[in-house]
Amino acid sequence: NAGVTQTPKFQVLKTGQSMTLQCAQDMNHEYMSWYRQDPGMGLRLIHYSVGAGITDQGEVPNGYNVSRSTTEDFPLRLLSAAPSQTSVYFCASSYAGQNTEAFFGQGTRLTVV
Amino acid sequence: AQSVAQPEDQVNVAEGNPLTVKCTYSVSGNPYLFWYVQYPNRGLQFLLKYITGDNLVKGSYGFEAEFNKSQTSFHLKKPSALVSDSALYFCAVRDGGGADGLTFGKGTHLIIQP
Repeated sequence: NAGVTQTPKFQVLKTGQSMTLQCAQDMNHEYMSWYRQDPGMGLRLIHYSVGAGITDQGEVPNGYNVSRSTTEDFPLRLLSAAPSQTSVYFCASSYAGQNTEAFFGQGTRLTVV
Repeated sequence: AQSVAQPEDQVNVAEGNPLTVKCTYSVSGNPYLFWYVQYPNRGLQFLLKYITGDNLVKGSYGFEAEFNKSQTSFHLKKPSALVSDSALYFCAVRDGGGADGLTFGKGTHLIIQP
């Protein structure tokens, strides 16, 4: 049972480069979301999706794009990486509903130099 | 807007002693409250949640949490700490009448000393 799978685990980018962080879940969850974790700041919501074809912005969406063409996949795109985007990124999924717990991937550690 | 506060960056407890990790929240609707644990270089693992009903919620690994509506708190507790409980703990809230994403506290490092 794979759960939530994120790739890659580690990535180093140069300022201005673009890349896509991949996230896939095999639990048929409706909700998926992306968070970034920075020291002393907890996790902050970047974007989320309540189903295929539906996405919305979270607390810190600037510099990131998402799309949800299938229930399973929710990629996060950095169009032009900046050092401020150095962080650990977590993807999460859950069943629909406000009272459902989220399942998290193992994270992607991104460094922008 | 919803928010969560974890007032302690670090909590130190001797093994075998009871532990408490504090969390207070603010929401406009009914709160859905969660505790997660993060071990080094790992993702977050769900511990327990409060939806409605009993104010004392039991979860994984012997943890429990007490919901107090008047104090808007949801403190994590365990009667007898283990060294293996040492980790980073996050409290999170979802507003029943609002957005779908979770709002997290900044996290509390729990250190259990042998």
